[in-house]
Amino acid sequence: QQQVKQSPQSLIVQKGGISIINCAYENTAFDYFPWYQQFPGKGPALLIAIRPDVSEKKEGRFTISFNKSAKQFSLHIMDSQPGDSATYFCAASGGNAGNMLTFGGGTRLMVKP
Amino acid sequence: DAGITQSPRHKVTETGTPVTLRCHQTENHRYMYWYRQDPGHGLRLIHYSYGVKDTDKGEVSDGYSVSRSKTEDFLLTLESATSSQTSVYFCAVAGVFPGELFFGEGSRLTVL
Repeated sequence: QQQVKQSPQSLIVQKGGISIINCAYENTAFDYFPWYQQFPGKGPALLIAIRPDVSEKKEGRFTISFNKSAKQFSLHIMDSQPGDSATYFCAASGGNAGNMLTFGGGTRLMVKP
Repeated sequence: DAGITQSPRHKVTETGTPVTLRCHQTENHRYMYWYRQDPGHGLRLIHYSYGVKDTDKGEVSDGYSVSRSKTEDFLLTLESATSSQTSVYFCAVAGVFPGELFFGEGSRLTVL
């Protein structure tokens, strides 16, 4: 079963709009929640991450919101730009050594000019 | 860039043939991973290694084996490739921060 569920699978946003991607997890042992960004033909790269004792983390135009009681977290991309067009993955780490991650299914974001 | 090189980058093979994918890293990372990426499934862990000769299974390990005889090399072997193993394979190494993985550029495998 998929331990981290991500939605939507694809998203089209106009330039300047807000992109929102949601994730839900089941395993309460998860204790770190990163987001990865992947451009075509490249490997995923760490974008931003949050711990469960923090409800929100912001880095530039990217914000993670975290709801521990609901076991949900989301990525908001403010003022979305065409250069943000990529596939985004949420992930969860179980506190194990070595940063082993369980990934969501991915969201393909397209930002239209 | 964590100095990760995957080879080959593209491969087409036939059902039943053995295939080995190589991941080479130059920065002495202890933890290395093989993931496969398929539409709708995200990235799924196949096998991982926590040191030379120390490996363990991930979520989707059936049909795959791995070896790590040197710190810098982590090999993924498909003993007898099947069409269901058509995928993009990514190698990754663990960074120093929680949740941080550095990925290679992927190896696209097509099994006919």
